[in-house]
Amino acid sequence: AQKVTQAQTEISVVEKEDVTLDCVYETRDTTYYLFWYKQPPSGELVFLIRRNSFDEQNEISGRYSWNFQKSTSSFNFTITASQVVDSAVYFCALGGGYQKVTFGIGTKLQVIP
Amino acid sequence: EAGVTQSPTHLIKTRGQQVTLRCSPISGHTSVYWYQQALGLGLQFLLWYDEGEERNRGNFPPRFSGRQFPNYSSELNVNALELEDSALYLCASSSRTRTDTQYFGPGTRLTVL
Repeated sequence: AQKVTQAQTEISVVEKEDVTLDCVYETRDTTYYLFWYKQPPSGELVFLIRRNSFDEQNEISGRYSWNFQKSTSSFNFTITASQVVDSAVYFCALGGGYQKVTFGIGTKLQVIP
Repeated sequence: EAGVTQSPTHLIKTRGQQVTLRCSPISGHTSVYWYQQALGLGLQFLLWYDEGEERNRGNFPPRFSGRQFPNYSSELNVNALELEDSALYLCASSSRTRTDTQYFGPGTRLTVL
């Protein structure tokens, strides 16, 4: 069975602070994919990143960076110099066999001006 | 490129009624996925359709069903609505060459009274 744990249900930071959203996953698959999605108040899930299990390189995209560590089954997401527009619910997700994606419960990020 | 579209955006029904939700995938995408996002429960995988066939199903009762049309659009039907069916229903699509990455629509918010 697959499981994604996002232990932080809500985080509040002041604008321009850095914030890290944690994600820990469990799977028996040897090949799997990890994702982060952003869900702003409008409700639509916005795809942020996909990482496959063979690629442990960290990735940076503008103010966003992702740290994938297979040894600890974690795929953490850091926002540098947070902005009010970053306020949203962020979902970590795990994709394995047969296209079934398991989502974490989500972390609600509030960036205070 | 147009994203995934869903209709209607909001829906109010009463217990026992039936509802049909619609989804149009991104042009060129052949797979459609349905998820339920109920309050406090996170995103739950409902159904996956590919090339007109149901490929996988989450842990939902048979009164949740759907289909995919030759143009790859999809419908989700829910019969005998219950109060706990109140949720945001999200549709996602993926391409034939990149089946592991799903792109989501804005969702249909269903309220059952």
